[in-house]
Amino acid sequence: DGGITQSPKYLFRKEGQNVTLSCEQNLNHDAMYWYRQDPGQGLRLIYYSQIVNDFQKGDIAEGYSVSREKKESFPLTVTSAQKNPTAFYLCASTLGGGVLTFGAGSRLTVL
Amino acid sequence: QQQVKQSPQSLIVQKGGISIINCAYENTAFDYFPWYQQFPGKGPALLIAIRPDVSEKKEGRFTISFNKSAKQFSLHIMDSQPGDSATYFCAASLTGNQFYFGTGTSLTVIP
Repeated sequence: DGGITQSPKYLFRKEGQNVTLSCEQNLNHDAMYWYRQDPGQGLRLIYYSQIVNDFQKGDIAEGYSVSREKKESFPLTVTSAQKNPTAFYLCASTLGGGVLTFGAGSRLTVL
Repeated sequence: QQQVKQSPQSLIVQKGGISIINCAYENTAFDYFPWYQQFPGKGPALLIAIRPDVSEKKEGRFTISFNKSAKQFSLHIMDSQPGDSATYFCAASLTGNQFYFGTGTSLTVIP
């Protein structure tokens, strides 16, 4: 079945560590996105990529980095510069047409 | 600036009742308005969507009402069921690959 796979589902990070969240899609979608979700704040865009080897900052990119070396993959690195990284992270993709397909999410907790 | 404003933040409805969630937008260039349903610990999933040239769309118990002149749209859930308890997000899309989300409504349907 086509879809978006995010891993790991749960991740714990010590302060000062970088962690990478994986996002893989087999939908042949061109555009991919990373959102952060905090209680009561909806979905906030971190980074997005319309094509391979190109990506743009979203509204809250500080402390995060991404790469897009393959169409299927869009990993997100949460760096030590992100001061409050505990959140639910959602990866999504689209073929265009106004509809996003989301992964199941990754929950990051800072110890 | 919040491009899409959603209300209420939370909603409690009796089983069998009607749940109504409202959204308003500013940018008249938005060309697609999807609603997403999210269960705890899961990624959002597309529920129903509408284009601005249509005033109403119904799929089963779910209906979108769209008022282009008022720049408002709403989700109506008829005969609400406990299984409908989830967080609902309205969204607006621009050119098929730019997305703006409301802050979400937590719906609880009481048996």
